[in-house]
Amino acid sequence: NAGVIQTPRHKVTGKGQEATLWCEPISGHSAVFWYRQTIVQGLEFLTYFRNQAPIDDSGMPKERFSAQMPNQSHSTLKIQSTQPQDSAVYLCASSLAGGADERLFFGHGTKLSVL
Amino acid sequence: GEKVEQHESTLSVREGDSAVINCTYTDTASSYFPWYKQEAGKSLHFVIDIRSNVDRKQSQRLIVLLDKKAKRFSLHITATQPEDSAIYFCAASIYGNEKITFGAGTKLTIKP
Repeated sequence: NAGVIQTPRHKVTGKGQEATLWCEPISGHSAVFWYRQTIVQGLEFLTYFRNQAPIDDSGMPKERFSAQMPNQSHSTLKIQSTQPQDSAVYLCASSLAGGADERLFFGHGTKLSVL
Repeated sequence: GEKVEQHESTLSVREGDSAVINCTYTDTASSYFPWYKQEAGKSLHFVIDIRSNVDRKQSQRLIVLLDKKAKRFSLHITATQPEDSAIYFCAASIYGNEKITFGAGTKLTIKP
C-alpha cells in the first residue's frame, strides 16, 4: 500500500499561470478530500468527493479553483490565474467513508509557490 | 459551519512530563473528534479519536477528554518522549457529514 500519492511535490508558477495538482487515493477508498495548509490559516477544507461525485465544495474559492474526480484512481485540483495568496501546501486525503473507520489518510502534499 | 479553535499555538514541556492541548468547537451537532499528528517533513497521520457517546478514551500514553456541555475536548500526552515533538491538530465533524474541520494546530516541543 503506497498510501495517498500527490504529484508534483513542489510546483512553482508565475502569477497568472495555471496550476494542476494531482492526487491518487488509496485503492478501495471511496472518499477523497482536498485541504490547503498555510501558517496563517492552518488547515482549510476545500472540497471532497464520495464515489467520484462532488459532495461539498464549500471551501473552494469559487472563481479560480476547480476540482474533479474523473475516475476512482485520481482527483485533480486546478487553480486558474494563480495569485501569490494561493501559495500553500495542498493536501489530499482519502478515507473508506461510510463505515466505522472515518480516519483520513493524507498524502505528502504539493507545495505551490506563486511568484 | 463548524469552527474548531485550538487554544495553544505552541507548547513546550520537559521530557517525561505531561502535555495538554485544548480545543473548542461551535456546532452542538458535532459528534466525532479526531486528532492528527504532523512530524517535521512528514504528512499528517491519525493518532486518536473520540465520539460523542463517551467522555474519555485512552490509547497507551494518549488520553482524549470530551466535555459536550462546554463544547471542549483535549488531548493529554503522558510521560512525553522526544518523538512526541510534532504539530498536533484537533478536528471535529458533524454527525452524518464526512467533512472534517481542523483547528490551526499546536506545535509541541519536548525538551530534554
